Amino acid sequence: QKEVEQDPGPLSVPEGAIVSLNCTYSNSAFQYFMWYRQYSRKGPELLMYTYSSGNKEDGRFTAQVDKSSKYISLFIRDSQPSDSATYLCAMSPTAGNTPLVFGKGTRLSVIA
Amino acid sequence: GAVVSQHPSRVICKSGTSVKIECRSLDFQATTMFWYRQFPKQSLMLMATSNEGSKATYEQGVEKDKFLINHASLTLSTLTVTSAHPEDSSFYICSARVIGQGVNTEAFFGQGTRLTVV
Repeated sequence: QKEVEQDPGPLSVPEGAIVSLNCTYSNSAFQYFMWYRQYSRKGPELLMYTYSSGNKEDGRFTAQVDKSSKYISLFIRDSQPSDSATYLCAMSPTAGNTPLVFGKGTRLSVIA
Repeated sequence: GAVVSQHPSRVICKSGTSVKIECRSLDFQATTMFWYRQFPKQSLMLMATSNEGSKATYEQGVEKDKFLINHASLTLSTLTVTSAHPEDSSFYICSARVIGQGVNTEAFFGQGTRLTVV
């Protein structure tokens, strides 16, 4: 079993839809959880960062972490064509200088 | 947020030559930077961890003599692909974590470098 599982999609939704992206993980030591957006041929851009369990909201984006289920989610409300990208979840057990463990990424297309 | 600048964004080189990619942290000091490789429609594959003032730590299967990493200052790490071959063509990305106070920690990525070896 891989440390982080993420459905690669592709996921196609109409403009204005609510998008739900998810990752599961196996390492209970993970405490820091991040979501990145990556446009084609660009570096990943940090969208959301969450420590431990709970919810975090930023504009149209909401990140949820359920450590008891080892499950994290990213919700995008009122999705726009400009949200079309690959979304990567990432996590780490420490706050120090350790590399993140990434999911494979989910390709999202928002159709106008 | 913090900024990580990577240069060049795109490079084409002849087989057998070497290519250097730079990764700079613009507004923070990074004692550690990470180098990733990404194939089309694939996730990021960690190649090595670059440590300022010491040797890099390479992931299993990554040739350290082929992918030379130098982290000579707190704001600059370089990756040199030596004797490049067409199979080295890929998207290379660097990142650095910002070590702040409390529990906050975030990782920021460079823009990536698309290497094409012909």
